[in-house]
Amino acid sequence: EVVLTQSPGSLSLSPGERATLSCRASQGINIFLTWYQHRPGQAPRLLMYGASTRATGIPDRFSGSGSGTDFTLTISRLEPEDFAVYYCQQYDSSPITFGPGTRLEIK
Amino acid sequence: EVQLLESGGGLVQPGGSLRLSCAASGFDFSSYAMSWVRQAPGKGLEWVSGISGSGGSTYYVDSVKGRFTISRDESKNTLFLQMNSLRVEDTAVYYCGKDAIATRFQAPQQFDSWGQGTLVTVSP
Repeated sequence: EVVLTQSPGSLSLSPGERATLSCRASQGINIFLTWYQHRPGQAPRLLMYGASTRATGIPDRFSGSGSGTDFTLTISRLEPEDFAVYYCQQYDSSPITFGPGTRLEIK
Repeated sequence: EVQLLESGGGLVQPGGSLRLSCAASGFDFSSYAMSWVRQAPGKGLEWVSGISGSGGSTYYVDSVKGRFTISRDESKNTLFLQMNSLRVEDTAVYYCGKDAIATRFQAPQQFDSWGQGTLVTVSP
């Protein structure tokens, strides 16, 4: 099973700042990595798949990079609605696994 | 518009059973793999089970193998999760998720649409 580790566990930033979230896989997963945003009380939202491809309707302030074992989600200028929990998920091998999440909080 | 509506959650004793349903609309149901993902209270997301678009292949996380069964009914555009021998640690909100890519025979990959979830509580 591929274990995903996310860092930091939580991040306090102000609107307008840049956020950098990391995800590391326990073994190489090529680019088979997805990022989700999860706000309390809502369904998760697909942000990025194939490590760097934005899903439909996702603004271009979100970008993803990486391959193999190290991946990054960057939010260039934080908007108030961006404060949420972010999960990475791999689909290189079964079972599909999620990282533990990074909580992005308003400073 | 894609819509996924889960139902069937509730309170059950350890060892009991529940059957979750996910009614789908707004897309060609049989063309997409589907999955169940859960979130225990205060915890992160955990993929539980998936099924190919054709229904011919099913996938499970080890902790539910032999206890949970995923299935789909194309005539009703509905996804199911039969949960038997429930344990306290199965307590969670259960979401159904639709795969982003239309492939009838591929394993689940990433989920571009989710339901709002149904709460399953396993408690004595």
